[in-house]
Amino acid sequence: AQSVTQPDIHITVSEGASLELRCNYSYGATPYLFWYVQSPGQGLQLLLKYFSGDTLVQGIKGFEAEFKRSQSSFNLRKPSVHWSDAAEYFCAVGTTSGTYKYIFGTGTRLKVLA
Amino acid sequence: SQTIHQWPATLVQPVGSPLSLECTVEGTSNPNLYWYRQAAGRGLQLLFYSVGIGQISSEVPQNLSASRPQDRQFILSSKKLLLSDSGFYLCAWSTRGAYEQYFGPGTRLTVT
Repeated sequence: AQSVTQPDIHITVSEGASLELRCNYSYGATPYLFWYVQSPGQGLQLLLKYFSGDTLVQGIKGFEAEFKRSQSSFNLRKPSVHWSDAAEYFCAVGTTSGTYKYIFGTGTRLKVLA
Repeated sequence: SQTIHQWPATLVQPVGSPLSLECTVEGTSNPNLYWYRQAAGRGLQLLFYSVGIGQISSEVPQNLSASRPQDRQFILSSKKLLLSDSGFYLCAWSTRGAYEQYFGPGTRLTVT
């Protein structure tokens, strides 16, 4: 069965430090992968997506993610975190049922220290 | 450009009362539509999705129902709310045949 795991529930980093949020998926074929960000009390915003091709994908707000098939991972990175990046981040995989649904991870809450 | 609206933004309802949350999308036609619930401290649970008018698929058995009376309108309802229905409800849309989903601002529902 398809699944998505975000092993870190909370992460705290200092402003200006680098960031890596982990995402592992379970899937039988090449997955469609997504990262979303949710600010408190808001909806989700799509940061980036991977369908095929170059395994390093660039997104909005300076984020990037790397697809590693051998590790079944799609980790999100940012070289220098800003205080405004404090939010909750969700990884998702698109299902293959033909209904274009997602399976979401449980999210990682990022805290940024000034 | 496409826009998705949800209302109300917040709602406090007593147990046993009815519920109606509305979601509308502008700037696109024939979208796929989705309702999610996000309980406190938990991830997103897909409740319903729709690929067309009157076509609703339920993901989990529950106290809620959904309807799509118009192409770009998606309504989440309940006849009698339970305490466990409290949460943050998100509507999303995607282009037919595409995976990317775009989310609305959400409705915070508190059942007292």
